[in-house]
Amino acid sequence: AQKVTQAQTEISVVEKEDVTLDCVYETRDTTYYLFWYKQPPSGELVFLIRRNSFDEQNEISGRYSWNFQKSTSSFNFTITASQVVDSAVYFCALSGYGSSNTGKLIFGQGTTLQVKP
Amino acid sequence: DARVTQTPRHKVTEMGQEVTMRCQPILGHNTVFWYRQTMMQGLELLAYFRNRAPLDDSGMPKDRFSAEMPDATLATLKIQPSEPRDSAVYFCASATDRTGTYNEQFFGPGTRLTVL
Repeated sequence: AQKVTQAQTEISVVEKEDVTLDCVYETRDTTYYLFWYKQPPSGELVFLIRRNSFDEQNEISGRYSWNFQKSTSSFNFTITASQVVDSAVYFCALSGYGSSNTGKLIFGQGTTLQVKP
Repeated sequence: DARVTQTPRHKVTEMGQEVTMRCQPILGHNTVFWYRQTMMQGLELLAYFRNRAPLDDSGMPKDRFSAEMPDATLATLKIQPSEPRDSAVYFCASATDRTGTYNEQFFGPGTRLTVL
């Protein structure tokens, strides 16, 4: 069975602090996709990143960076120099790949990040 | 700027009434997903379609929920009769699956349903 666990329910930081959101997944597939989505207070889900399982290179996009470690089944997300606008719920998700890919996303429970001024 | 659109954005209804939610996927996307978000269950997949054909609706309560795609530009999710436990935010998402590999799903703004 596929499962995504985001153990941190809520995180509160002060602006300009760095913060890491943890994501651990379970799957029997040898290849798969991992995602992060952001849900700001307005409610929509915003796609942040997709990573396939055979690409373990870390990725950086501005203040965002992602650390994928297949050995520990983790796909952690770090925000550097956090800003108030980063306050949102962040979801990690998993889907299949290739012929086993139905496109279904399995979401974690989400981590609520509050960035205080 | 292509987006998934959903109507209505908010719906308040009384128990027993029929509710229909609509979704217009991004033009050219051939896969449509319906998700429900609640505090207790989080985000859960209800049903999805590829090329308008239903692929999986195992996440839906069959007795009261139905999902259809009358054409490539419209997906509907219907609840009849509605119950208070159906109160949630319902998201539609669309994606492409060229070469058998799904690209990222783009989500609509959601329909916030309240059943009294």
